[in-house]
Amino acid sequence: EIQLLESGGALVQPGGSLRLSCVVSGFIFNRYDMAWVRQPPGKGLEWVSGISSAGTSTYYADSVKGRFTVSRDNSRNTLFLRLNSLRAEDTALYFCARRLSGSFTSWGQGTLVSVSS
Amino acid sequence: QSALIQPASVSGSPGQAITISCTGPSSDFGTYATYTLISWYQQHPGKAPKLILSEVSKRPSGISNRFSGSKSGDTASLTISGLQAEDEADYYCCSYAGSDTYVFGTGTTVVVL
Repeated sequence: EIQLLESGGALVQPGGSLRLSCVVSGFIFNRYDMAWVRQPPGKGLEWVSGISSAGTSTYYADSVKGRFTVSRDNSRNTLFLRLNSLRAEDTALYFCARRLSGSFTSWGQGTLVSVSS
Repeated sequence: QSALIQPASVSGSPGQAITISCTGPSSDFGTYATYTLISWYQQHPGKAPKLILSEVSKRPSGISNRFSGSKSGDTASLTISGLQAEDEADYYCCSYAGSDTYVFGTGTTVVVL
């Protein structure tokens, strides 16, 4: 069974930082590109970031470029997202997802990031 | 990276067919016409999104054949036939947007009357 489990979400002040983690099981992690997608409370989905299977290529939405950093540790089956210079508009449920052929085929349940003073 | 445009809500009675459109924003008119990496996701309240169609019209294993997809020009469509109560959910389209980036649609709430 494929499982993705996010963690690391928290309440943080504007300008603060967080690191999100996503531990996966049930598939060969190092064979798949991965992504982070977020969903503000009561709103729609937004693609945030992607990373190649080997971790050598990374991609970002304009809204987070320069502030967020995606990485992975294939030896630990873990995907990361470092969030810096957080803003109120970054408040959202953050999902990790497995990407294949342009689709996000498996998703975690999400971890909540709240940015507020 | 403007969101793809979807109707906010679509409703239908059990057994009917409904169609949800997904259109590239006017500012990027023509851009999405070249992409076939369109996917659709179903999201029930409090749950993670679930892939229901990939590459415009391909159904993953376990997805009902009541879900079908198509694309014409810069507009993709999801059709749900034989509408059932369990189909009541939010639906999102997603398109490859070039340079290994992706854009989701604004989302559509399906209401089963």
